[in-house]
Amino acid sequence: EVQLVESGGGLVQPGGSLRLSCAASGFTFSSFGMNWVRQAPGKGLEWVSYISSSSSTIYYADSVKGRFTISRDNAKNSLYLQMNSLRDEDTAVYYCVRGGSDYWGQGTLVTVSS
Amino acid sequence: DIQMTQSPSSLSASVGDRVTITCRASQGISNSLAWFQQKPGKAPKSLIYAASSLHSGVPSKFSGSGSGTDFTLTISSLQPEDFATYYCQQYNSYPFTFGPGTKVDIK
Repeated sequence: EVQLVESGGGLVQPGGSLRLSCAASGFTFSSFGMNWVRQAPGKGLEWVSYISSSSSTIYYADSVKGRFTISRDNAKNSLYLQMNSLRDEDTAVYYCVRGGSDYWGQGTLVTVSS
Repeated sequence: DIQMTQSPSSLSASVGDRVTITCRASQGISNSLAWFQQKPGKAPKSLIYAASSLHSGVPSKFSGSGSGTDFTLTISSLQPEDFATYYCQQYNSYPFTFGPGTKVDIK
């Protein structure tokens, strides 16, 4: 069974940093590109970032470019999102999504507030 | 960036109704379109990929069609568990973009 389990969310002040993790199981993690998608409270879905299976290709949404860094460790079956210079508008549930968008994690809530 | 629109933004329907949701891309995306269902407090669930292919385990009452810029999601006979918000997403080119969603509620 494919499982994606996010962790690392929480309350952080504006300008602060947070690192999200996603633990993958039930499939060959190293064979799939991975995405982060977020959803602000009461709002729609927003794609955030993509990393290819070998980390050779990475994309970011303009809204996070230069502040967020996606990475992965295929030996640990894990995906990461390092979030720096956080803003109020980054408040959202962050989902880890397998490439192809066929499997989603349960999400982790990031709240940016003073 | 490719912009995605959906119509209607919300609709009220009865159990047993046939429901159609439309998604439009600002430029051609071939058939690189997916549909998702999301219930309150839950992660989105994948329904359809490649515009018309059902993901494993998705009931056949869901169907998708379209190519290029215009796409539809149809639920043939609405059931209580289908009341949710539905999103389309293009994956033709990055940044992948979602439609704003269509909320389907009970009439």
